[in-house]
Amino acid sequence: NAGVTQTPKFQVLKTGQSMTLQCAQDMNHEYMSWYRQDPGMGLRLIHYSVGAGITDQGEVPNGYNVSRSTTEDFPLRLLSAAPSQTSVYFCASSGVSGVHSPLHFGNGTRLTVT
Amino acid sequence: AQSVTQPDIHITVSEGASLELRCNYSYGATPYLFWYVQSPGQGLQLLLKYFSGDTLVQGIKGFEAEFKRSQSSFNLRKPSVHWSDAAEYFCAVGGSSNTGKLIFGQGTTLQVKP
Repeated sequence: NAGVTQTPKFQVLKTGQSMTLQCAQDMNHEYMSWYRQDPGMGLRLIHYSVGAGITDQGEVPNGYNVSRSTTEDFPLRLLSAAPSQTSVYFCASSGVSGVHSPLHFGNGTRLTVT
Repeated sequence: AQSVTQPDIHITVSEGASLELRCNYSYGATPYLFWYVQSPGQGLQLLLKYFSGDTLVQGIKGFEAEFKRSQSSFNLRKPSVHWSDAAEYFCAVGGSSNTGKLIFGQGTTLQVKP
């Protein structure tokens, strides 16, 4: 049972570099989302997707891009990294059901931008 | 505005003592409430959820939470804390649409004294 898999676990970038954080789930969940976690601020939603080909912005979308070409994958792209993007990033998925189904989280990617 | 407040950033309890973590929410529609736990270096794991019905909900690891609509609260409780309960706890609220979008509180770090 892989669940939600995030790669890499750790990454260091220089200001201005770009990179893609990978997220894959094997539970056939339609809903996927990206959160960032910062001390004292809990988790904040960056982008989310309700199905392949459909994405939308969350609370803090600036500087990030997403796409959803398949049900399984939901990569997060940093277009030009800034020190303010130093954070821990979590990908999550949830299934379709009659009621609000809980989020399943990956183990996170710790990103440092210098 | 939709928000979740966890008033206690850090709580220390002795092993075997009872625990209550506070959560207050502000949400314009019927709230769907969750408690998640995060161990160091890990993703978030669902402890329990409230959608409707009985206002006292049971979760995993001996945790329970009580929904009080009049107080806009969803406090987490455990009668006897174990050293392995030391972690960070997050309260979250979502709406009735199953989009995987949650609003998280700032988190409460629980330390357990032997």
